[in-house]
Amino acid sequence: QVQLKETGPDLVQLTQTLSITCTVSGFSLTTYNVHWVRQPPGKGLEWMGAMWNGGGTDYNSAFKSRLSISRDTSKSQVFLKMNSLQTDDTAKYFCASLGFDYWGQGVMVTVSS
Amino acid sequence: DVVLTQTPPTLSATIGQSVSISCRSSQSLLHSNGNTYLHWLLQRPGQSPQLLIYLVSRLESGVPNRFSGSGSGTDFTLKISGVEAEDLGVYYCVQGTHARTFGGGTKLELK
Repeated sequence: QVQLKETGPDLVQLTQTLSITCTVSGFSLTTYNVHWVRQPPGKGLEWMGAMWNGGGTDYNSAFKSRLSISRDTSKSQVFLKMNSLQTDDTAKYFCASLGFDYWGQGVMVTVSS
Repeated sequence: DVVLTQTPPTLSATIGQSVSISCRSSQSLLHSNGNTYLHWLLQRPGQSPQLLIYLVSRLESGVPNRFSGSGSGTDFTLKISGVEAEDLGVYYCVQGTHARTFGGGTKLELK
């Protein structure tokens, strides 16, 4: 059974770094890509970046300078780290895989001043 | 970067009505391998998105056949033939030919 679950903080201080973990089960990270997608309150979906099954990464150019995605295949985990957070980074952050066929429930992160 | 433009942004429909949503890309989504990586998702209120249609017109398992997708190149359409109450929510197109991009969404609501 394929599952993805995001874990991370509810609240992050302005200018600090956000770290979120996506733990997957039911498939291997070396077989399927994992994407990070965010959704500000009341707004649409925004693709942030991906960890490819081969170990490479790709980033939305809007985040490239402050976003990092990595993984630990032994733990079936993919990590998102984004620095220099601003209030407009307040959003629900999702991981998704298998061609966007499977999504986590998301973690709502508020950036506070 | 590829931009996907969805229209209309909001769609009001009655139960049983057929509706269509357009998704236009700033670049052709035909990949060099012959596939067109354009998919459709539905996000119901308070839920994570779910995949409805992949590769333009292929219905995801378990999705009712009142949903259909069509198009090629830069112009794509999602059609719902007979809206049901469970279809309400926000529809997104997403492309996977050039990295990934989501459309801005179309909210389907009851008239």
